[in-house]
Amino acid sequence: KAGVTQTPRYLIKTRGQQVTLSCSPISGHRSVSWYQQTPGQGLQFLFEYFSETQRNKGNFPGRFSGRQFSNSRSEMNVSTLELGDSALYLCASSLPAADTQYFGPGTRLTVL
Amino acid sequence: KQEVTQIPAALSVPEGENLVLNCSFTDSAIYNLQWFRQDPGKGLTSLLLIQSSQREQTSGRLNASLDKSSGRSTLYIAASQPGDSATYLCAVKRSGANSKLTFGKGITLSVRP
Repeated sequence: KAGVTQTPRYLIKTRGQQVTLSCSPISGHRSVSWYQQTPGQGLQFLFEYFSETQRNKGNFPGRFSGRQFSNSRSEMNVSTLELGDSALYLCASSLPAADTQYFGPGTRLTVL
Repeated sequence: KQEVTQIPAALSVPEGENLVLNCSFTDSAIYNLQWFRQDPGKGLTSLLLIQSSQREQTSGRLNASLDKSSGRSTLYIAASQPGDSATYLCAVKRSGANSKLTFGKGITLSVRP
């Protein structure tokens, strides 16, 4: 069974631009969570989607948004990029009501 | 607000040593605790998951314990190998529906040949 895939793996953007990251969960997994990882703050929860509905949200500004499609694939969007948005963005999927989250390899975003 | 702490931030040991990685959390109302491994620039791999009702879990050379009342978990690695070099993160899931994972900042382990 294929694991969680994230595209693109690397991105370079400039301040003020916007970016969309994609995550394809493991087949059959309907829950997708997004995390931001930086050296200073560590791993921080962004949001979780289940059956196309956001059911949990972390403490990030409204510039960070996401959505989930009917096939469980998820996208997150960051508008008006800031230098501090440079990070590794990880998504994780899980079965409904399951405990274990399976993580993708991440998208490394660099904002110049 | 749940806070998860992992100290020290980095650890270097010679090959073959048995070692213990510590994790502490402030809110004992957890649903489960998970240990992950992260290799440089990569995603996270789940190593062990302990439910709140359990005391420990074992997988190969790894053993994780949980003491909810004191807010502590340990990951024991037996007979360490250079291939164990990575960052180890613990994460707790709070009791309640739709609960997110709260991560510690991780311990970067280096096992010297």
